[in-house]
Amino acid sequence: DQQVKQNSPSLSVQEGRISILNCDYTNSMFDYFLWYKKYPAEGPTFLISISSIKDKNEDGRFTVFLNKSAKHLSLHIVPSQPGDSAVYFCAASEGNNDMRFGAGTRLTVKP
Amino acid sequence: EAQVTQNPRYLITVTGKKLTVTCSQNMNHEYMSWYRQDPGLGLRQIYYSMNVEVTDKGDVPEGYKVSRKEKRNFPLILESPSPNQTSLYFCASSPRLIRETQYFGPGTRLLVL
Repeated sequence: DQQVKQNSPSLSVQEGRISILNCDYTNSMFDYFLWYKKYPAEGPTFLISISSIKDKNEDGRFTVFLNKSAKHLSLHIVPSQPGDSAVYFCAASEGNNDMRFGAGTRLTVKP
Repeated sequence: EAQVTQNPRYLITVTGKKLTVTCSQNMNHEYMSWYRQDPGLGLRQIYYSMNVEVTDKGDVPEGYKVSRKEKRNFPLILESPSPNQTSLYFCASSPRLIRETQYFGPGTRLLVL
């Protein structure tokens, strides 16, 4: 039972444009959400997070939006750069020990 | 340099031959965990440890063992590997809680024949 779903396995955008990566979850008890980024042959690295008490968190070119009523979050990258090409994992946490990851979305930013 | 290291990076073995994947972190983190990554399934937690001598099962613990005798090390043990354990494995650590930023190792790609 996948409680965190990333329905788009891949996304391709042009350099300079906006990338929007989506994530849906089913467990209404999740109260903390994160995005991790993964390059080939490396481990995932933390990108940005958001608590359920907020609906937006911004860090430079990266913004995460949370819509609790829709159980949906999205990651916006503006402007997209070729170096952003990677696999992006959405993750959600309930309490202090449990974290569920989505299957990942492969982003390709074309020059 | 703050890091999580895993060894080996690549391993090919045969069914039933016991193996250990080591994980070490140099950040004095209390929380450590093991994940496996499979296509279409993302990262799934195998075991985690909140501190020395404290370990607990994650989502997919069957066929795996762990130990946490020292704060820095968290080895993953496959007593009798089977082909369905062929996967990409990641070790991760965080200061205290899983919801804090986790630092991942580079991964161990395991093939069980």
